[in-house]
Amino acid sequence: AQSVTQPDIHITVSEGASLELRCNYSYGATPYLFWYVQSPGQGLQLLLKYFSGDTLVQGIKGFEAEFKRSQSSFNLRKPSVHWSDAAEYFCAVGINDMRFGAGTRLTVKP
Amino acid sequence: DAGITQSPRYKITETGRQVTLMCHQTWSHSYMFWYRQDLGHGLRLIYYSAAADITDKGEVPDGYVVSRSKTENFPLTLESATRSQTSVYFCASSDSDLGEWSNQPQHFGDGTRLSIL
Repeated sequence: AQSVTQPDIHITVSEGASLELRCNYSYGATPYLFWYVQSPGQGLQLLLKYFSGDTLVQGIKGFEAEFKRSQSSFNLRKPSVHWSDAAEYFCAVGINDMRFGAGTRLTVKP
Repeated sequence: DAGITQSPRYKITETGRQVTLMCHQTWSHSYMFWYRQDLGHGLRLIYYSAAADITDKGEVPDGYVVSRSKTENFPLTLESATRSQTSVYFCASSDSDLGEWSNQPQHFGDGTRLSIL
C-alpha cells in the first residue's frame, strides 16, 4: 500500500545546530515530493518541492531537501536552526493523490 | 488581499447537529480540497473538487457532504455531527490542470477547530 512515513514524532535541537527531518515513502513509482511547515494556529506553508532533475532542492527559509531514489527518502535539512523554526513539519507525497506524513514537531532550545 | 479564508475559526456544537464550514479563495484556483488533521494521522483528505460542480471523495469522506456551485467557494457540511468528527479542518487550493492535481503544491487556509460535544 502507498504510504508516507515520518519516523520522528518530536525532535529537539539547540539553536544554531544542524537539523535533519526524515521522510520515507512507499510507492511503485517516483512521486512528487513536498515539505510543508505549520506554525501553531496556522495552515501549512510550502517549504520546497521535488518533481525531477537535481536531487538536491532548495527551499524557503534556508531549508533544503535531498531525494534519494534508492532509499525512497526525501529528508529535509537546515545547516543552522533558528528559534523561529520551531513548528510542525509535514512531508507530502503526490502520485494520483496527495498523502501527508503524520508530522514531526520541532522544538528549538536556546 | 488574495488568499484562502476559512470560517468560522472555532466552532463548538453538539452531536446530531448539522454544521457547515466555509472556505473561500480569491486566486481562482481550479482545485479545492478539504482535509482533517488529527494527532498521529497528519492530514487526511476528505473531499476535493476539480472545478465548479465537480467533486470527488478522498480518503475519509463518510459523514461529510460538499458542494461547489462557484469556483471560489467550497463549503463542507457535517450533516449529523459525531464526536469522532472533532478535529481541525483545513481547506486548500491549487492551480492544477484537470486531472493533474497531485503534482502541484497546495495553499492552505488557517483552519477551523471543530469540537463536537
